[in-house]
Amino acid sequence: LAKTTQPISMDSYEGQEVNITCSHNNIATNDYITWYQQFPSQGPRFIIQGYKTKVTNEVASLFIPADRKSSTLSLPRVSLSDTAVYYCLVGESKGNEKLTFGTGTRLTIIP
Amino acid sequence: GAVVSQHPSRVICKSGTSVKIECRSLDFQATTMFWYRQFPKKSLMLMATSNEGSKATYEQGVEKDKFLINHASLTLSTLTVTSAHPEDSSFYICSASRTDYGYTFGSGTRLTVV
Repeated sequence: LAKTTQPISMDSYEGQEVNITCSHNNIATNDYITWYQQFPSQGPRFIIQGYKTKVTNEVASLFIPADRKSSTLSLPRVSLSDTAVYYCLVGESKGNEKLTFGTGTRLTIIP
Repeated sequence: GAVVSQHPSRVICKSGTSVKIECRSLDFQATTMFWYRQFPKKSLMLMATSNEGSKATYEQGVEKDKFLINHASLTLSTLTVTSAHPEDSSFYICSASRTDYGYTFGSGTRLTVV
């Protein structure tokens, strides 16, 4: 599994757009990029997954440049409830593959 | 969507006793289940991987005789912490997956050993 690097923490004000970048220089051809969100005392929750270019769903967008060595999770107009830890994972996502969690990014939204 | 139920959500036990945590996939059959441990302010650490009907594969450093994993059906896996000690106090999280279906996590179990 490709190793990922993300900022340890970020702060943002309510209503702002937040972008969290993840580096994965050793990403393999068959790897997908997946982001999870974890609130305190809860299990991680799937946010978004992508392979290349841009993916958007109802909660976030994921931007992946052509070389796929990094990705950016974009959260539009954040609110206090978006305070959480965000993990970027890279792998084939076949379901039988071990997921290795990095440090994650602790996002704090300020009123 | 896929739902994984984990219980209990919290448990307090006395040192030296055993505790069982259940993980159920409610609306899908999970070919593989994973168990993680998470200490405060830290990331999830994979403990073991289990496939239905076969022995679990433990990560390096995880004592298989202390953390017993049973995966008797495609919808249920259990983690038993045997002879628990205060250092076993942690947040335990399960994940269930199906080939080409992705991963769904349980809500976690807060274990406190006193």
